[in-house]
Amino acid sequence: QSALTQPASVSGSPGQSITISCTGTSSDVGAYNYVSWYQQHPDKAPKVMIYDVSKRPSGVSNRFSGSKSGNTASLTISGLQAEDEAEYYCSSFTSSNTYVFGTGTKVTVL
Amino acid sequence: QVQLQESGPGLVKTSETLSLTCTVSGASITNYFWTWIRQPPGKGLEWIGYIYYTGNTNYNPSLRSRVTISIDTSKNQFSLRLTAVTAADTAVYYCASVAGGSRRFDPWGQGMLVTVSS
Repeated sequence: QSALTQPASVSGSPGQSITISCTGTSSDVGAYNYVSWYQQHPDKAPKVMIYDVSKRPSGVSNRFSGSKSGNTASLTISGLQAEDEAEYYCSSFTSSNTYVFGTGTKVTVL
Repeated sequence: QVQLQESGPGLVKTSETLSLTCTVSGASITNYFWTWIRQPPGKGLEWIGYIYYTGNTNYNPSLRSRVTISIDTSKNQFSLRLTAVTAADTAVYYCASVAGGSRRFDPWGQGMLVTVSS
């Protein structure tokens, strides 16, 4: 299975909105609504920010939202804040009952 | 709340077997799926495999020939074995719960760096 494709980096100014894409295939992203997004700060374990394409766990800011169209999922961060600067990974369940991660996106707050 | 903690040797010799254990607290290990994920230094996340308390497993195809995940319900622990390791297996290894029916990894352990060296 190949890693899902994400842009290497995305940047924005405080208060702006940014969107990170996650492109897979009809065997993973396009197959189920089981796409999750993880935020990882340096030397920390990842934290789930979005699951089931667009659901937010308790305690996660509503500035984070998710969507999916076909084989591409997206994470949008609105009202960008300094604390949002981190690495972001998407993940999808696959038709082989396995999981695959995205290549990761470095978000920089200018 | 559910907490996970990885343990095991931080240094493994080339061609030997990497063995890690994840201890689960705050929940019964019979309630969820459990998974291992790794991250080489400076690189992205790689899913290794998962196990259910019944012993049902599935693995990343790229690692399937070398990986075994097992579970000990009496100790509320699950374990990872990776054979014939090379420097490419040097990584931070995380254990995590596969939460409910959503297929999300939550929560995660803090992670453990395992270095493979001759």
